Amino acid sequence: NAGVTQTPKFRVLKTGQSMTLLCAQDMNHEYMYWYRQDPGMGLRLIHYSVGEGTTAKGEVPDGYNVSRLKKQNFLLGLESAAPSQTSVYFCASSWDLVGELFFGEGSRLTVL
Amino acid sequence: AQRVTQPEKLLSVFKGAPVELKCNYSYSGSPELFWYVQYSRQRLQLLLRHISRESIKGFTADLNKGETSFHLKKPFAQEEDSAMYYCALRLNNNDMRFGAGTRLTVKP
Repeated sequence: NAGVTQTPKFRVLKTGQSMTLLCAQDMNHEYMYWYRQDPGMGLRLIHYSVGEGTTAKGEVPDGYNVSRLKKQNFLLGLESAAPSQTSVYFCASSWDLVGELFFGEGSRLTVL
Repeated sequence: AQRVTQPEKLLSVFKGAPVELKCNYSYSGSPELFWYVQYSRQRLQLLLRHISRESIKGFTADLNKGETSFHLKKPFAQEEDSAMYYCALRLNNNDMRFGAGTRLTVKP
């Protein structure tokens, strides 16, 4: 099983460019999450989704948009990238609110 | 403020020695706590959760509400325990707050 797959794994952007990170899960999970990980700060929740067609803001949502058009996919978009968005992004999914989080391998984004 | 604090960024012990990774939390609600682990070149994965009161790979963690702590312990560390460990607190609004992590190195 692939589990949670993130693409791309690495990307370098210039300030102001846009891009989309794709997260796909094959476990039929209802809940999906996008986190960012910065040195010394742990993982912080950007946005999450509790089901197809739903999205909600997490702790650090500014500068990002998300969509969950299909149950298995959760897209994270940066409309106008900024250097402060240089980070490692992790997608995760879970069966329910109290369940274990299953993580992707991470996507390293650098904004110059 | 709701937060998770892992005071040690780095922890190094010798094989066979006891190990304790500290985690303190700040939360006004009923806490639900987890330990996640990331081994080298592997994904972040769940190690254990307080609600299960289980021992995984020899690790245990007890929730101490009085001290607002959820320290992870193992009596005899093994080299394969070397990894990055994250303590996490689930909030009522589905947010999972992670600590900054502790890198454990078990030396031979």
